[in-house]
Amino acid sequence: DTGVSQNPRHKITKRGQNVTFRCDPISEHNRLYWYRQTLGQGPEFLTYFQNEAQLEKSRLLSDRFSAERPKGSFSTLEIQRTEQGDSAMYLCASSSYGDRGYNSPLHFGNGTRLTVT
Amino acid sequence: AQSVSQHNHHVILSEAASLELGCNYSYGGTVNLFWYVQYPGQHLQLLLKYFSGDPLVKGIKGFEAEFIKSKFSFNLRKPSVQWSDTAEYFCAVGGNAGNMLTFGGGTRLMVKP
Repeated sequence: DTGVSQNPRHKITKRGQNVTFRCDPISEHNRLYWYRQTLGQGPEFLTYFQNEAQLEKSRLLSDRFSAERPKGSFSTLEIQRTEQGDSAMYLCASSSYGDRGYNSPLHFGNGTRLTVT
Repeated sequence: AQSVSQHNHHVILSEAASLELGCNYSYGGTVNLFWYVQYPGQHLQLLLKYFSGDPLVKGIKGFEAEFIKSKFSFNLRKPSVQWSDTAEYFCAVGGNAGNMLTFGGGTRLMVKP
């Protein structure tokens, strides 16, 4: 399966600790997205990259959150000084954006479930 | 700001019943519309999409959706549901550049055998 891969699948951490998640997109996709999903809600947009450039960040992305995609392939999402409110499923998605301005539908990974105790 | 509203949070149907899930959106521009499905324990998967053209779009597994511009709606339908359609369904809206999608809160469908 060459879909979007996310690691780890689950992460339990204590409040105040830092955590980092990794996403490996579909190899030919140049766009990569991070979403957050809490119980009973739809996914909420956090940020996205086109190649290595971070093009948009949601207001949901506080200063404690940082995302990188250094070589335009995999991406990491780091949360510093975690809070209980950060507990959620963190979803990664990728897509292919072409010269004509057409963006393919997003392909999602299985997500990383974060629990902050 | 774009937003998506899914009116039904939980739907329970018997097999062979017809399904219609409501989705209304607000978006100031050319709109792309999507339905995603999440089966238990699996990732979000694209069910169908509307970019332009025929407002009645057909997706996988017998699903279809109709874009009604005047009503800002993109309702999902299936004439006869199966137990395997038990899942959570999300409507989403995005712009032409596809930079981000805004999702609705989801509808959890349970189909009783």
